[in-house]
Amino acid sequence: GAGVSQSPSNKVTEKGKDVELRCDPISGHTALYWYRQSLGQGLEFLIYFQGNSAPDKSGLPSDRFSAERTGGSVSTLTIQRTQQEDSAVYLCASWGLGIGELFFGEGSRLTVL
Amino acid sequence: QKEVEQDPGPLSVPEGAIVSLNCTYSNSAFQYFMWYRQYSRKGPELLMYTYSSGNKEDGRFTAQVDKSSKYISLFIRDSQPSDSATYLCAMRDGGFKTIFGAGTRLFVKA
Repeated sequence: GAGVSQSPSNKVTEKGKDVELRCDPISGHTALYWYRQSLGQGLEFLIYFQGNSAPDKSGLPSDRFSAERTGGSVSTLTIQRTQQEDSAVYLCASWGLGIGELFFGEGSRLTVL
Repeated sequence: QKEVEQDPGPLSVPEGAIVSLNCTYSNSAFQYFMWYRQYSRKGPELLMYTYSSGNKEDGRFTAQVDKSSKYISLFIRDSQPSDSATYLCAMRDGGFKTIFGAGTRLFVKA
């Protein structure tokens, strides 16, 4: 596609349920990032994938969070046993060549009741 | 302490004012400095990009980097209501990990 696509755009779930968020990056972009944005916290780095290298998971807040990237393209962020503090907008971005501009999707807004 | 500090505002100015947005950082390895603009319910978009120290101008926007003080700024001249958005500073070292500030919410009143 022309841009980074994320789904679902909105997700409401109950505390304790698992959720999966999907990101489809710009075709040909080798780096893919997940960020979390909540009020007052700005854009919090979670994880990035670059080509075939091991992902940098240093920003994942707990072991309830995991992400995978299949075939160097689509990525899924999984949150297990969701908690209310997981409520946020989860943004995906991809990066191709050049100066390192990140192209963002519109985000997945997660609400945990 | 966060690697990148940015006042979240909000900052409210009248149309035509000069706006100054700032970030400080602690990691001296940062080499690439960026400003992103984010409109409500949208993803951030790159506004300005600077490598190392110095100034860069693009129309009404000027980005400044002072690596000795670990301080970066974005100036907006002749601000317009359409400039109302959240402005996020971002930076990285020579690798891929990009760290963002908290973002400053700007309101330009007509």
